Amino acid sequence: DAGVTQSPTHLIKTRGQHVTLRCSPISGHKSVSWYQQVLGQGPQFIFQYYEKEERGRGNFPDRFSARQFPNYSSELNVNALLLGDSALYLCASSRGMTTNEKLFFGSGTQLSVL
Amino acid sequence: AQSVTQLGSHVSVSEGALVLLRCNYSSSVPPYLFWYVQYPNQGLQLLLKYTTGATLVKGINGFEAEFKKSETSFHLTKPSAHMSDAAEYFCAVSESSNYKLTFGKGTLLTVNP
Repeated sequence: DAGVTQSPTHLIKTRGQHVTLRCSPISGHKSVSWYQQVLGQGPQFIFQYYEKEERGRGNFPDRFSARQFPNYSSELNVNALLLGDSALYLCASSRGMTTNEKLFFGSGTQLSVL
Repeated sequence: AQSVTQLGSHVSVSEGALVLLRCNYSSSVPPYLFWYVQYPNQGLQLLLKYTTGATLVKGINGFEAEFKKSETSFHLTKPSAHMSDAAEYFCAVSESSNYKLTFGKGTLLTVNP
């Protein structure tokens, strides 16, 4: 079975632009979470979606938004990019939204903002 | 608010030696605790997790961790290091049963031949 897939793998943008990152969860998984990993730091929670509804949001500005589609895939959108948005963005999926389930991470999208 | 402190950003051991990676957490409620491993250019892989029950948790690849409430610690150990264990290791905590994880800054493990 395919794991969590993210696209694109790498992306270069300039300040002020908008970016959309995509994530396809493992088949049968209904929960998708997004994390931001800045170089040298641990991942930081951005969003959790379950059954197409937002179930949790981390401490990120409104420039960050996400949605989950009927097929459970997800998009993360970031508007008005800042240099500080440069990071590895990780998507993770699980069958349910609780820790009873195992969380699987994708390999991430490396975003560079110039 | 929950937080995680990983002592030592870089740990170096010899092949066959004991691996000990330290993690202390702060949580206002009984926590859910996790260790993840990240290999270069890859996502995170779950090594083990503590939710409830037995405080000594066994994970994959010979790793284990012990939840010590009195010390607010969840240190990761492996009796004998292998070259393939070289990677970055992250401790994480959640105060709820949902996957809203707070990660530590990570510990880079180097294994010397």
